[in-house]
Amino acid sequence: GAGVSQSPSNKVTEKGKDVELRCDPISGHTALYWYRQSLGQGLEFLIYFQGNSAPDKSGLPSDRFSAERTGGSVSTLTIQRTQQEDSAVYLCASSLGPATGSPLHFGNGTRLTVT
Amino acid sequence: AQRVTQPEKLLSVFKGAPVELKCNYSYSGSPELFWYVQYSRQRLQLLLRHISRESIKGFTADLNKGETSFHLKKPFAQEEDSAMYYCALGETSGSRLTFGEGTQLTVNP
Repeated sequence: GAGVSQSPSNKVTEKGKDVELRCDPISGHTALYWYRQSLGQGLEFLIYFQGNSAPDKSGLPSDRFSAERTGGSVSTLTIQRTQQEDSAVYLCASSLGPATGSPLHFGNGTRLTVT
Repeated sequence: AQRVTQPEKLLSVFKGAPVELKCNYSYSGSPELFWYVQYSRQRLQLLLRHISRESIKGFTADLNKGETSFHLKKPFAQEEDSAMYYCALGETSGSRLTFGEGTQLTVNP
């Protein structure tokens, strides 16, 4: 079956513009995660959705970042007024349940470059 | 707050040599530890988890609560083991995984 799909695969934007990153999780996976991968920084947790529960937004670095998950499936990560330090690979992952019980299945990521 | 430390960003060994990728963690609860791997041009994927006590592709990892470590080991490295390895810590509530900075392993012929 299809894995986690992310689009676009690459995005170049000018500083100050807004961007939207999309994630299509594996069908039936109730948990969805966004991580940011930067050189020398490892994987930085951003946000977690589990079923109909309120999302865990504790990893979002500023109020310029927001995410939503519609219908318990597709998720969109929005970055407003992008800054150069937002340049990174944004990874989406989904799992059948909580991360400790079910392996995370990652997408290929969206490489964001802010010029 | 939980934290995962992988002290080596780069590790290079020769084929057939033993390899150990270090991981230390700090967490006040009962930890659940994982190793994820990303091969060149592939997605990040689960390699193994401590609760399974399994060996995957010849790799093993033992949770040492006294030393708060979860080092990944393989007695004889192969060239196909070259990849980026991430250690991850799961919270008891299960809401997220906290990843380390990763170790890039290169196995030379």
